[in-house]
Amino acid sequence: AQSVTQLDSQVPVFEEAPVELRCNYSSSVSVYLFWYVQYPNQGLQLLLKYLSGSTLVKGINGFEAEFNKSQTSFHLRKPSVHISDTAEYFCAVSAPHYQKVTFGTGTKLQVIP
Amino acid sequence: DSGVTQTPKHLITATGQRVTLRCSPRSGDLSVYWYQQSLDQGLQFLIQYYNGEERAKGNILERFSAQQFPDLHSELNLSSLELGDSALYFCASSVGTEQFFGPGTRLTVL
Repeated sequence: AQSVTQLDSQVPVFEEAPVELRCNYSSSVSVYLFWYVQYPNQGLQLLLKYLSGSTLVKGINGFEAEFNKSQTSFHLRKPSVHISDTAEYFCAVSAPHYQKVTFGTGTKLQVIP
Repeated sequence: DSGVTQTPKHLITATGQRVTLRCSPRSGDLSVYWYQQSLDQGLQFLIQYYNGEERAKGNILERFSAQQFPDLHSELNLSSLELGDSALYFCASSVGTEQFFGPGTRLTVL
């Protein structure tokens, strides 16, 4: 079984500042990792995913994440945030060839003008 | 627009009642997932169907049931509703590793 821990429930950050949203996972097998974003009153949208290969993954809207197997982490980063990035971000994990996805509890990113 | 549609958008009902939520997946997607999102429990996986058959079960209560029809649309049935069932219910569909989420149905139980 897999599990995901998002350590920060809320992260306030000033506009144009960098941000890192933390995600740690637990699994006894190899994993696929995902970051989803949920804007207010909307469904979830995939930001990026790691399946295999390069550990640095680039996604939409300037976000990127790095898979670190030794630290079992998949932190999300953006070098300069915009007001429009205000949303809730979910880290998720699944096992290869098994489509059930386990989501973390979410991190609310609040971008302050 | 993810291509996944859910109806209704909002539903207000009373305790003890039964409701049906409907989901139409993206064209060609065989898998459908149901999730419940509430303030206290976060995003919880309920159940997955693949081409009409139940594939995986999560934290789904016995009062809840789902099915996927031959045209691949899915319905989530919630019965004997309690106040604590008030939540956003999302449907997602997938082919491969990425799930595409619908806009959700907001259920309010009074």
